[in-house]
Amino acid sequence: QVQLVQSGAEVQKPGASVKVSCKASGYTFSTFYMHWVRQAPGQGLEWMGRINPTGDATDYAQKFQGRVTVTRDTPASTVYMELRSLRSEDTAVYYCVRDGHHWNFDYWGQGTLVTVSS
Amino acid sequence: QSALTQPASVSGSPGQSITISCTGTSNDVGAYNYVSWYQQHPGEAPQLMIFDVTSRPSGVSDRFSGSKSGNTASLTISGLQAEDEADYYCTSYTTTTTWVFGGGTKLTVL
Repeated sequence: QVQLVQSGAEVQKPGASVKVSCKASGYTFSTFYMHWVRQAPGQGLEWMGRINPTGDATDYAQKFQGRVTVTRDTPASTVYMELRSLRSEDTAVYYCVRDGHHWNFDYWGQGTLVTVSS
Repeated sequence: QSALTQPASVSGSPGQSITISCTGTSNDVGAYNYVSWYQQHPGEAPQLMIFDVTSRPSGVSDRFSGSKSGNTASLTISGLQAEDEADYYCTSYTTTTTWVFGGGTKLTVL
């Protein structure tokens, strides 16, 4: 069965960076796009960016351009999301998500809480 | 890219039907048939309920259905059950190769 297992919760100071990982299993990792979506406490879902199956092309929401990088390690079946210059508004649960070949999000990781606090 | 517009809340009694709307623009909802809907219970990750406007993943009840007219997509839940109480989000692929979510709708089963 498809599983996306993310790294654990993080606490970071304003101005720092965070890198969240997501290990996939149960399917052929190299044939699916992967996305990152976040959800601030009590708020809605927000799309951040995606990476193509071969890892050589990314798309990002304009809001995060220049501050986020999504990468993937195919042999390790792992996708990463790095967010830099953190601010308190970046406190959120970050989800890695598989794209189900129909530009939708068919499997979600368990989420990683990133807290930005001084 | 502005968020898609959803009602903040809807409610219905068990057995009734409800519809949640999702309004975008000609650059997202109106541009493609790549609208999907997600159900999220408190403390859990979202779950895909509808994709490609009208398609259901295997395992999702046929009480859930989707439609679209112009720049507005809709999710209908028929035969409401207590377990349907959750937050619902729509999302659409856009003409700038990005995705945009709706603000979310809280469904209360009375």
